[in-house]
Amino acid sequence: QVQLQQWGAGLLKPSETLSLTCAVYGGSFSGYYWNWIRQPPGKGLEWIGEINHSGSTNYNPSLKSRVTISLDTSKNQFSLKLTSVTAADTALYYCARRVEVAALGLWGRGTLVTVSS
Amino acid sequence: QSALTQPASVSGSPGQSITISCTGTSSDVGGHDYVSWYQQHPGKAPKLMIYDVNKWPSGVSNRFSGSKSGNTASLTISGLQAEDEADYYCCSYAGGRTYVFGTGTKVTVL
Repeated sequence: QVQLQQWGAGLLKPSETLSLTCAVYGGSFSGYYWNWIRQPPGKGLEWIGEINHSGSTNYNPSLKSRVTISLDTSKNQFSLKLTSVTAADTALYYCARRVEVAALGLWGRGTLVTVSS
Repeated sequence: QSALTQPASVSGSPGQSITISCTGTSSDVGGHDYVSWYQQHPGKAPKLMIYDVNKWPSGVSNRFSGSKSGNTASLTISGLQAEDEADYYCCSYAGGRTYVFGTGTKVTVL
């Protein structure tokens, strides 16, 4: 059974860089797009971006200037970096596997990232 | 790229049917047959319920069904059950290899 396990720093100061990693266990890394989505406390979901096994990326235009998604195929892991964070970036960040177009069929448990001075 | 518009809340009694709308534009919902729906219980990750407008992932009850007309997609829950009480989000392909989520709808079972 494929599982996603994610981790990263949970408390950041404004202007720092958010860094999260998601590991894929029990399944193939290739053939899928691997996504990051976030959810501010009490609010809705926002798509951040995705990467495939070849390293091809797609990003939300509103975040594109600050976001980098990368992968380490040797470890079946992919990562998210978001630079120059502000309080508005405080959210629960999820990693997920896209199984079809716009269909995120497998999700991690989420990592809460708080930005506060 | 603006969030798709959903009603903030929808309610129904057990056994009834309810429908949640998801309104976008011709650039997203109206332009592609790539709309998905997610169910999210409190403190849990979202769960895929419908994809490609009206297809079911393995293991999802057929009490959930999807449709689309023009720039508006809809999720219908038939035979409403207490366990269906959750937040629901639509998601659409928005062109340019990007995706956009809806604003979310809280479903209450009376």
